[in-house]
Amino acid sequence: TQLLEQSPQFLSIQEGENLTVYCNSSSVFSSLQWYRQEPGEGPVLLVTVVTGGEVKKLKRLTFQFGDARKDSSLHITAAQPGDTGLYLCAGEADSSYKLIFGSGTRLLVRP
Amino acid sequence: EPEVTQTPSHQVTQMGQEVILRCVPISNHLYFYWYRQILGQKVEFLVSFYNNEISEKSEIFDDQFSVERPDGSNFTLKIRSTKLEDSAMYFCASRPGQRLHEQYFGPGTRLTVT
Repeated sequence: TQLLEQSPQFLSIQEGENLTVYCNSSSVFSSLQWYRQEPGEGPVLLVTVVTGGEVKKLKRLTFQFGDARKDSSLHITAAQPGDTGLYLCAGEADSSYKLIFGSGTRLLVRP
Repeated sequence: EPEVTQTPSHQVTQMGQEVILRCVPISNHLYFYWYRQILGQKVEFLVSFYNNEISEKSEIFDDQFSVERPDGSNFTLKIRSTKLEDSAMYFCASRPGQRLHEQYFGPGTRLTVT
């Protein structure tokens, strides 16, 4: 069974600080997707990384896929209150394209 | 921008009743999924659908569950006899094709079984 461990579960930081969220697994994934989910809504896709070692940037957010495609990180530079929310990583299983989700990181950025 | 839509947004039903959750995936997408999220828990995979048939289903997706693509646009999830533990947010997702990995989620249907 493929599992994704996401850490930390909760993060409370001051506006302007940097942070990193991690997703780790012992399994290889075809791709790794990062989502943001607001309460009562569906996950909204932020980025997909496919190639081992790939780095993608979305404004102040930097996403990296591990060389072995077993782990990924999300780094936010100079966090803002608007970044507050639940961030989910999801690995795509090789065989069926289904997504295996991490448990999420709830981020609070204090003004 | 195209998006996945789901109806209803909230469904309340009594235990033992049948419910049908509806989804309209993004046009021209080929792969369709249902996931669910019990309050406070992870999003978990239920079933994937491609080329008018189920390609994979999880252990959760037992004989009480079924999916259908009755026409070119709708994708439905039916629960034949609901249980209290079926209460959850149900999300539909679609994916363009084999070479494109992105899955786009709908806003979800909150199912409450009383």
